[in-house]
Amino acid sequence: EAQVTQNPRYLITVTGKKLTVTCSQNMNHEYMSWYRQDPGLGLRQIYYSMNVEVTDKGDVPEGYKVSRKEKRNFPLILESPSPNQTSLYFCASSFWAGPQHFGDGTRLSIL
Amino acid sequence: KQEVTQIPAALSVPEGENLVLNCSFTDSAIYNLQWFRQDPGKGLTSLLLIQSSQREQTSGRLNASLDKSSGRSTLYIAASQPGDSATYLCAAQYGNKLVFGAGTILRVKS
Repeated sequence: EAQVTQNPRYLITVTGKKLTVTCSQNMNHEYMSWYRQDPGLGLRQIYYSMNVEVTDKGDVPEGYKVSRKEKRNFPLILESPSPNQTSLYFCASSFWAGPQHFGDGTRLSIL
Repeated sequence: KQEVTQIPAALSVPEGENLVLNCSFTDSAIYNLQWFRQDPGKGLTSLLLIQSSQREQTSGRLNASLDKSSGRSTLYIAASQPGDSATYLCAAQYGNKLVFGAGTILRVKS
């Protein structure tokens, strides 16, 4: 089954404790991206990747890192999380300019 | 700045009614315009994608149109059903980036 898998689905953690949210897709898509969704602000793009070892900033990259060492994986790293990064996060993948396939989301709470 | 706006923010209709959701974008230099559905607690599901060279796309009871010159897209839902209740989002692709609207919350009453 074609899918985008995010883990964990839910996480409660504390300020400053490094965390990684994993994202994996099985559709051989070259394009992958991360979004955060906040009430009243909608979906905003954090980072995207055009292919292995090619990443670039979206609209809200501050406080986040990404890597793309393999085509199927695109982890999101919060090296020193802060409460303002509490949000619902989505990973998505596609062929370039094709329909986006989204994961089920990761709800992060940073205390 | 590239912005996408959706009107209305919320809509409640009786079952069986035809309805139109609106999406407008400030910069007409889009690669494509996508419509998504989001159910509570779930990710987004792609409904329709219209390339910049196309005028419309259809899938079942859904029809999406695109007018680049006026910066508008509409999603038409025919014969609405309670199962259509969800949040509908549009997104414009500019180069390597997608810009989303805030969504329209649709409720179809039985």
